[in-house]
Amino acid sequence: QSVLTQPPSASGTPGQRVIISCSGSRSNVGSNYVYWYQQLPGTAPKLLIYRNNQRPSGVPDRFSGSKSGTSASLAISGLRSEDEADYYCAAWDDSRSAVFGGGTQLTVL
Amino acid sequence: QVQMQESGPRLVKPSGTLSLSCTVSGGSLSSTQWWSWVRQAPGKGLEWIGEMYSGGDPSYNPSLTSRVTISVDNSKSQFSLELTSVTAADTAVYYCASASGYARFDYWGQGILVTVSS
Repeated sequence: QSVLTQPPSASGTPGQRVIISCSGSRSNVGSNYVYWYQQLPGTAPKLLIYRNNQRPSGVPDRFSGSKSGTSASLAISGLRSEDEADYYCAAWDDSRSAVFGGGTQLTVL
Repeated sequence: QVQMQESGPRLVKPSGTLSLSCTVSGGSLSSTQWWSWVRQAPGKGLEWIGEMYSGGDPSYNPSLTSRVTISVDNSKSQFSLELTSVTAADTAVYYCASASGYARFDYWGQGILVTVSS
């Protein structure tokens, strides 16, 4: 059972906007930055969003992140077939450990 | 660009010790990074194992802390993971990663599948 809670699955059609939620507590999401990772099938995770809403160089602006209180979300607009992947949120917990969400499998219909 | 590569035995016997190394190229292990290990059991999500800041004290997942040791060898540009008393539940793909902030894993190795079985 993961510390951060994500929906196990999400889906959308090409061009649509999809939002993936991530719920935590005051000791992690509520007091620290949230990060999002994209894991394409058979590959290592890749940093997608850092510090709640910042995109590393090379990440399309179709991906955006936000945080409010103890919840965060990842939005993907203009959905494309290559966005089909697993998405994980992560945060530091004040107990001195990194915690992940259980992951959301995104299907592009 | 930092590149990372895991290496070590892919099969470990139950109750044995899992030992992996991560070789880092394109960066120095004495830089301001946390050298980390993350694992992923088959069909499951990501689990943080622990990390170490070069010259600092390591931090470990509370659920694994009694069995885990992470160390850094600057001279070899490697950092290592030891996990003792393994069981089938420790079967997973083990990733090494570098973090520039808490939970910010910027670079990842390709991962190595380690199976615990007799």
